[in-house]
This record gives sequence, C-alpha cells and structure tokens, in this order.
Amino acid sequence: EIVMTQSPATLSVSPGERATLSCRASQSVSGNLAWHQQKPGQAPRLLIYGASTRATGIPARFSGSGSGTEFTLTISSLQPEDFAVYYCQQYNNWPRTFGQGTKVEIK
Amino acid sequence: EVQLLESGGGLVQPGGSLRLSCAASGFNFRSYALSWVRRAPGKGLEWVSSISGSGGDTYYADSVKGRFTISRDNSKEMLYMQMNSLTVEDTAIYSCAQGWGWFDPWGQGTLVTVSS
Repeated sequence: EIVMTQSPATLSVSPGERATLSCRASQSVSGNLAWHQQKPGQAPRLLIYGASTRATGIPARFSGSGSGTEFTLTISSLQPEDFAVYYCQQYNNWPRTFGQGTKVEIK
Repeated sequence: EVQLLESGGGLVQPGGSLRLSCAASGFNFRSYALSWVRRAPGKGLEWVSSISGSGGDTYYADSVKGRFTISRDNSKEMLYMQMNSLTVEDTAIYSCAQGWGWFDPWGQGTLVTVSS
C-alpha cells in the first residue's frame, strides 16, 4: 500500500496570503495525484487531478505541481472560503490512498 | 448536473449488517466507475471500494474485504454497499463518488454508527 504523508498537519494563514501544502508518497505515483477540499458538513470537492490539472470550476488561485513522490498544492491568495481541510490522494495503485489531511485555518 | 444521494445509514449493533444505497443522476451511469469513501469521526478520508461501469470489476480496502460487497444496478442507476459483520471501527460517514481514479463529484454521505 502506498502511504501518503501530508505536511504540515495545520497551516495558519492570514486572508490574502499564500498557502503551500505538501504531500509525499512512499513510492512513485507518477502524476496520478489528486487534491480534495473538505469543509465541515459538506461533501469533499475535487480541486486538482493529474497532479496539476484544475477540476471544472476551480479558481485559478489553486495550483498543483510535482510528480513521482513529491507534490505541492498552492493557494496563491487565500480567500475566506478556502479555510478547510485539504487531502491528497493517489490513484496510481490499488488500494487508493489519501493523506491524513492539512487543515488550513485563519491566523 | 451530476447528483449522488446516499441513503441507508443508521445505528447498528456490532456484528450487524446494513445496506447503503446511492442514487445517481445527471450522467451516463453505466459509463462510469463508482466508489465508496468513508470518513470516521475525527479522522481523514479512507477509500473503501470501487466498481467498474459494467460491474464486472470490483476492488476493496483490506479493512473491509470479505465483509463488504459493492454492487450496482445500471437499469436503476443505483450503487450499493452491503456491509456485514460491522465493527465499531466501521463507524463513519460513507460517501459515494463518481470515478475510481480521482473522485468527482462526491455525495454528501450517510452516517453509519456501529455501537451497542
């Protein structure tokens, strides 16, 4: 099983600032990496797939990069609605696995 | 608009069974793989199971293999999860999602509570 490790566990950021979230895979997942956002009481929402392709309707302030074992999600200028938990997920191998999540909170 | 609506959750005793359903609309149902993902209280997301568009291929997490069975009825545009031998560790919100690579979109989920 591929273990996905996210850092940091919690990120405190002021609105308008840049947020950088990291995700590391225990072995290469090539570019088969997705990022999901989850807010309390809501369904998760896909942000990024293929490591860097924004899903439909996702604002340009969200960007993904990386390949192999190291990946990054960047939110260029945090908006109030962006405070949430973010999960990376690999789909290169079965079982599909998620990172433990990074909570982005208001500083 | 793609919509996924789960139902069937509830309170069940350890060792009991439950059947979850997911009603889909807004897309060519039989053309898409579907998945179940769960989130236990205070924990992160855990993939549970996936099924191909035809229903001929299925995959399971080790934690549920042999206890859970995923299935679909393409004529009714419904996805199911039969859950047997439930344990307290199965307590979670269960969401269905379109796809078996990346998951998009997701349903709101249905809460399963396993407790005596």
